[in-house]
Amino acid sequence: DAMVIQNPRYQVTQFGKPVTLSCSQTLNHNVMYWYQQKSSQAPKLLFHYYDKDFNNEADTPDNFQSRRPNTSFCFLDIRSPGLGDAAMYLCATSRDDTNQPQHFGDGTRLSIL
Amino acid sequence: GESVGLHLPTLSVQEGDNSIINCAYSNSASDYFIWYKQESGKGPQFIIDIRSNMDKRQGQRVTVLLNKTVKHLSLQIAATQPGDSAVYFCAANQAGTALIFGKGTTLSVSS
Repeated sequence: DAMVIQNPRYQVTQFGKPVTLSCSQTLNHNVMYWYQQKSSQAPKLLFHYYDKDFNNEADTPDNFQSRRPNTSFCFLDIRSPGLGDAAMYLCATSRDDTNQPQHFGDGTRLSIL
Repeated sequence: GESVGLHLPTLSVQEGDNSIINCAYSNSASDYFIWYKQESGKGPQFIIDIRSNMDKRQGQRVTVLLNKTVKHLSLQIAATQPGDSAVYFCAANQAGTALIFGKGTTLSVSS
């Protein structure tokens, strides 16, 4: 049973056209994370929510935003996608942010035309 | 800050052999370590974790060893199977900080 669900699995957008990626979880975890993963690289943390508290990584571009309307859902908004934003976007959850495994979804692969 | 690195980008083994994937970390204050397996087109899948108060932990066919003296972590897979072929990531963090991932080792298992 999928516990971290990402939709869609594949997303194509045009250069500069806003796009939103979705993540939902059935684990009732407090923390939700968004990572960017480019080909043959490690996942790179963009930001995370601990409950409603938003924590942005220092090097995450302003072009990337996130919303968490409730415990189960979290969204990644890319306001003006550039060619360099083509990547796999991974959502993960954990019970809390201290020494707990993160559970990942299968990602959304974003292509930019 | 923390950096995490894997010793070999690729590892090729025969089915039935034992595999060892090694990882080094830089921050002596790191107290939590985790291994993930990522198959093509999928998200990272949790394999096993270990806290800094332990030096060994075993799971089903997997063992993680932690050497805090030399800041080294290894994942051992017993009787490697074709289904174990994937990219393996180690990650480390200190309480309250982000999990830092290493670059990944691609394990190829041939029959």
